[in-house]
Amino acid sequence: GESVGLHLPTLSVQEGDNSIINCAYSNSASDYFIWYKQESGKGPQFIIDIRSNMDKRQGQRVTVLLNKTVKHLSLQIAATQPGDSAVYFCAESDNDYKLSFGAGTTVTVRA
Amino acid sequence: DARVTQTPRDKVTEMGQEVTMRCQPILGHNTVFWYRQTMMQGLELLAYFRNRAPLDDSGMPKDRFSAEMPDATLATLKIQPSEPRDSAVYFCASGNGADTQYFGPGTRLTVL
Repeated sequence: GESVGLHLPTLSVQEGDNSIINCAYSNSASDYFIWYKQESGKGPQFIIDIRSNMDKRQGQRVTVLLNKTVKHLSLQIAATQPGDSAVYFCAESDNDYKLSFGAGTTVTVRA
Repeated sequence: DARVTQTPRDKVTEMGQEVTMRCQPILGHNTVFWYRQTMMQGLELLAYFRNRAPLDDSGMPKDRFSAEMPDATLATLKIQPSEPRDSAVYFCASGNGADTQYFGPGTRLTVL
């Protein structure tokens, strides 16, 4: 079946550097994509989303890039901080209700 | 600061017992979702509601799980009878249709 997956299960980044988390999806009908951050013992927290009519969207210190041609989504975090250490999930939807989640990437920020 | 609330936060029970998890969605949200998270399976959608009506519960084991929305401020997920394989963190999320889903803190369920 179709699924959302992540390229790398873990990412270690030096504090202050930029982080890039990648995500591949296979459902060409997906038109909504979202990134969540999950800290230990907490629920997933919304970071940023993007619709398929866009290829880039920026938030505070975060940027999401969407490449529909190769079905690739990425999350860029600028000036990574210790508080950014968490598991990051990408998710996709083709009907605005159901989200399909990827496996998650664990980001560890080194001081 | 509007947020989704869930109770209980932690539940330890014995196999065969009934478990009820509750969720209060964000006021004004018309869609409510129940997810289960495990290390092996990740985040799985169990069921979701729109305007209190169940839209899809295909991700839920029908023989033992049931999800309801008695009113717009309460969603429940019941397991009866519970089994050790049901041990997981159960999340509720709410949203407004095409908008973002906002997650609650989860209920950590341990079935012995």
